[in-house]
Amino acid sequence: DTEVTQTPKHLVMGMTNKKSLKCEQHMGHRAMYWYKQKAKKPPELMFVYSYEKLSINESVPSRFSPECPNSSLLNLHLHALQPEDSALYLCASSLGQGANTGELFFGEGSRLTVL
Amino acid sequence: AQKVTQAQTEISVVEKEDVTLDCVYETRDTTYYLFWYKQPPSGELVFLIRRNSFDEQNEISGRYSWNFQKSTSSFNFTITASQVVDSAVYFCALSEAGRGGNQFYFGTGTSLTVIP
Repeated sequence: DTEVTQTPKHLVMGMTNKKSLKCEQHMGHRAMYWYKQKAKKPPELMFVYSYEKLSINESVPSRFSPECPNSSLLNLHLHALQPEDSALYLCASSLGQGANTGELFFGEGSRLTVL
Repeated sequence: AQKVTQAQTEISVVEKEDVTLDCVYETRDTTYYLFWYKQPPSGELVFLIRRNSFDEQNEISGRYSWNFQKSTSSFNFTITASQVVDSAVYFCALSEAGRGGNQFYFGTGTSLTVIP
């Protein structure tokens, strides 16, 4: 069983909707990540929070807004998405940063469909 | 330039055959980490192994083994006596401590199909 929990597992939304994806981990990890994955492609990094601060934003459009309320929680707020944003959104966590990053632990993902 | 290259896009083997998945990486850091992940059809990425740049010892875990060679910048993954449950997409990844460590570079993946 994964120790990174993502909700919802499936989400269908219209282009004018506002929705959020949620991620939770209780492994004491201090880095949390959002990845986007299209079919038959590798995961594509979107955001990294390290010690609850946004440390990496891979030039993601502003219709995606991350939030890290505390070291265990990570949200991704979605607004005015486009059909091409339909994908599997993966949350991950790792121990820390630098030489202490460790490996990524992934959640099962939230499969998003934008109509 | 691609930091992690997995030249094999798709591989099919018959059950019980051995199969090797290739991974070639590129980095100028002296401290880096290499990973293999498995993504079955269900979608979750499962961590298989992490190897740091100072440890070139090969590793075996059951039917899985990994061969790390710094001289050729390769980190290959062998499955012995493959099983249908091994069917998945396998990703090799690299992180560099000098760049903060949190930037993981994934290869394009190798889709393995094990035919019963």
